[in-house]
Amino acid sequence: ELKVEQNPLFLSMQEGKNYTIYCNYSTTSDRLYWYRQDPGKSLESLFVLLSNGAVKQEGRLMASLDTKARLSTLHITAAVHDLSATYFCAVAFPPLYGGSQGNLIFGKGTKLSVKP
Amino acid sequence: SAVISQKPSRDICQRGTSLTIQCQVDSQVTMMFWYRQQPGQSLTLIATANQGSEATYESGFVIDKFPISRPNLTFSTLTVSNMSPEDSSIYLCSGKETDYNEQFFGPGTRLTVL
Repeated sequence: ELKVEQNPLFLSMQEGKNYTIYCNYSTTSDRLYWYRQDPGKSLESLFVLLSNGAVKQEGRLMASLDTKARLSTLHITAAVHDLSATYFCAVAFPPLYGGSQGNLIFGKGTKLSVKP
Repeated sequence: SAVISQKPSRDICQRGTSLTIQCQVDSQVTMMFWYRQQPGQSLTLIATANQGSEATYESGFVIDKFPISRPNLTFSTLTVSNMSPEDSSIYLCSGKETDYNEQFFGPGTRLTVL
């Protein structure tokens, strides 16, 4: 079964603190996406990770991919209130491993709340 | 990056009726998809919209319930047929240029079925 698991599902942080969201997936993949969703809004693309060891950074967010461990992390540095949102990871599984073209399997999302 | 718009943004419908949602992309994209996001949940792929041919549906979704059209590389429609309250959800259109590009999402259509 193709599965994507995120943890934690809920995260309450204080401003200025660091934290990491984890995304594990069940079988081989060559593409992993991170999205942000604000309440009542659509998904905003944050990162696309295509290879083992890939690391991408944008502002206070940094994403990495370890394909051998089937793990991606989204690290938040010195959180600010504006980062409060739900963060999703999504994985594309190749047809050889049971996926279908274009089908992103989404994790359940991590609802992040940053408090002053 | 592609910009995707959807119409309507929200609707309240009666049980047994049908609603067609339109999706417009501001540039040509090879792939277009329709997703469903139930309240407080993650996203599930309904189908891949294929230009000029029948859509490819995921397990649990059928053409009679969710007919899809894609007449060209920038436009697609999803119809939710014979609606029931269980169809209340957000329906999102998505597109990308190739398998390895970013995948963009429209703003969603929030559907409530009474």
